[in-house]
Amino acid sequence: KQEVTQIPAALSVPEGENLVLNCSFTDSAIYNLQWFRQDPGKGLTSLLLIQSSQREQTSGRLNASLDKSSGRSTLYIAASQPGDSATYLCAIPDTGRRALTFGSGTRLQVQP
Amino acid sequence: DGGITQSPKYLFRKEGQNVTLSCEQNLNHDAMYWYRQDPGQGLRLIYYSQIVNDFQKGDIAEGYSVSREKKESFPLTVTSAQKNPTAFYLCASSFDRVVNQPQHFGDGTRLSIL
Repeated sequence: KQEVTQIPAALSVPEGENLVLNCSFTDSAIYNLQWFRQDPGKGLTSLLLIQSSQREQTSGRLNASLDKSSGRSTLYIAASQPGDSATYLCAIPDTGRRALTFGSGTRLQVQP
Repeated sequence: DGGITQSPKYLFRKEGQNVTLSCEQNLNHDAMYWYRQDPGQGLRLIYYSQIVNDFQKGDIAEGYSVSREKKESFPLTVTSAQKNPTAFYLCASSFDRVVNQPQHFGDGTRLSIL
């Protein structure tokens, strides 16, 4: 069964820093990996979906990489802003059910 | 605008009571999902449905029930058998036949015990 781990659980950085969030998974036979953002008390907003055949996917200041062989993905946030403060979750679809297996998230706080 | 609507936003359950959470989508998605989120944890799958009139148990289905009578709707009932229902419930949907399409989420329902 797929297991997804996110480290660190929480991160606090000053505004303007570049930062990396980590996601690791145990089964490398994946279709894709999805990164989400969750604001307090809200649902999930999809940020990036990186397919198994891709190494990277970019959207604005966000860049997600995928290394299936090592079971890792990273989300790189450039020039962080206070508005980036949120919890970031990575998730992988179950090959049969298509439901997602989630990591427990990294709670990011960007200090102004 | 296309999206997923969950209601109510907040819900309180009395002892022994069943409550139903609504989830409606107008994205023409085939598949719909219910997840439960506890504080500081990721989401866990309760039930999912890949087609109308069919649904399957997820990892934590005990104490919950669902129906899928219409493509757009996938209500979740939290029964009195669920002894620890306090959590944040999230509904999601996706195209089932296309693998590399993202899941879309509603804004969630927060359920508490009175």
